[in-house]
Amino acid sequence: DTGVSQNPRHKITKRGQNVTFRCDPISEHNRLYWYRQTLGQGPEFLTYFQNEAQLEKSRLLSDRFSAERPKGSFSTLEIQRTEQGDSAMYLCATGTGGWYNEQFFGPGTRLTVL
Amino acid sequence: AQKITQTQPGMFVQEKEAVTLDCTYDTSDPSYGLFWYKQPSSGEMIFLIYQGSYDQQNATEGRYSLNFQKARKSANLVISASQLGDSAMYFCAMREGGGSNYKLTFGKGTLLTVNP
Repeated sequence: DTGVSQNPRHKITKRGQNVTFRCDPISEHNRLYWYRQTLGQGPEFLTYFQNEAQLEKSRLLSDRFSAERPKGSFSTLEIQRTEQGDSAMYLCATGTGGWYNEQFFGPGTRLTVL
Repeated sequence: AQKITQTQPGMFVQEKEAVTLDCTYDTSDPSYGLFWYKQPSSGEMIFLIYQGSYDQQNATEGRYSLNFQKARKSANLVISASQLGDSAMYFCAMREGGGSNYKLTFGKGTLLTVNP
C-alpha cells in the first residue's frame, strides 16, 4: 500500500496521560499536514511541515501539543496531559509542491480521552 | 466569518439521479483553489475535484463536476447518476494563495444519502 498510513487507528486514554500518533507519508511527498476533526465538523488545520521543517502552527495547537518530522519522512504528533476536549480524529495529509495539487489523507487516528 | 459555508447538513437523492451540494466561500485573495473531498463512514478523506480561481472552465472528473460561479463565490459540486456508494460526508475546502503553506480550510460538510 503506497498511501498515507497512520498509527494507531484508535487510541483510548485517561485524562492526564500522554499520547503519540504516527503518520507515514507517501514517499515522495515533502509536505505533511496534521488536521483535527471533531464530531460534526470539517477538519481543522493544526500544523505543517515542509521536509523536516515545521513551518506553521495553528493557534489550535496549544503548548501541550508537539509535532516532529525527523529526517523529513514520518511525523509524530504528541499530546501531553490529555484533556477530554482533545477527543477527536487526528488526520495526517501529505502532498507535493504543486499549489493546485490535492492533499492525500491518511485514515486518521481516533482519540478518546476518558 | 466562515471561510467555507456548506448550508446543507443533509441531502437525500434517489439512485441514478443527479444531486447538487452547495458551497460558498469567502476570501479577498485573488488566487485560491477550491477542493471537494468525500469522507465515507470509514473516515478517510478522498479527493474528488479541484477548481482554481483563474480557471476559465468548470472542472469535471467523471461523474463529478464543479459549478463555479466566481462572482457569487460559490463552488457547488454536482454528482450525476448517483450510486449507493456515493453515500458519505462531502466537504468543500479552500486553499488561499501566498506563502508556502498549502493548508486547506474546510466547511462543516454535507451528509449525502443515496436511496435505492
